[in-house]
Amino acid sequence: IAGITQAPTSQILAAGRRMTLRCTQDMRHNAMYWYRQDLGLGLRLIHYSNTAGTTGKGEVPDGYSVSRANTDDFPLTLASAVPSQTSVYFCASSDSKQARFDEQFFGPGTRLTVL
Amino acid sequence: ILNVEQSPQSLHVQEGDSTNFTCSFPSSNFYALHWYRWETAKSPEALFVMTLNGDEKKKGRISATLNTKEGYSYLYIKGSQPEDSATYLCGRGFTGGGNKLTFGTGTQLKVEL
Repeated sequence: IAGITQAPTSQILAAGRRMTLRCTQDMRHNAMYWYRQDLGLGLRLIHYSNTAGTTGKGEVPDGYSVSRANTDDFPLTLASAVPSQTSVYFCASSDSKQARFDEQFFGPGTRLTVL
Repeated sequence: ILNVEQSPQSLHVQEGDSTNFTCSFPSSNFYALHWYRWETAKSPEALFVMTLNGDEKKKGRISATLNTKEGYSYLYIKGSQPEDSATYLCGRGFTGGGNKLTFGTGTQLKVEL
């Protein structure tokens, strides 16, 4: 693994189903993030984690949950998917141990369609 | 300015033209300003992270300036090339926000031959 990986690459999901998007990084970054990208709205932060064991809410957290059991993994769960959650989801990470404004590194994205 | 705003929304230039776009943001509680380059079907990649008023950063033909007092940053591309075609995103960090960024909606640049 080099950098950040996300799985699946794409998924079509029936409304009401539960879905977990996976994100793994091998850079030992302490901070991780989940964004969604929607046309005309840019990137919006869903949830973030400054360090393993802690998480926080972003701009659009409703309907999503996250966990950060270790440094490398940051899964995003949709408990009961709705069509408005159709989007492209990007995971990112940054190393903020030295400075709190380090660049973010993005994964390849997961395209999710909820029908 | 309540949110991060970018202008123009899109831009078409000819190869060799120089161009610039603007990122406007709330100046209060400013912490950092990030610029990212986002090619179609790829992931955003960092260009610059700026924190100090008056900061200027350069990477090849691309440069950026920062004015934290008035809440804006300019991104300049000198002698645009077709490979510069991408969406350019800016993101603002704020004090007390940890590592969180609020992004603008981007400027989509297309460089034509």
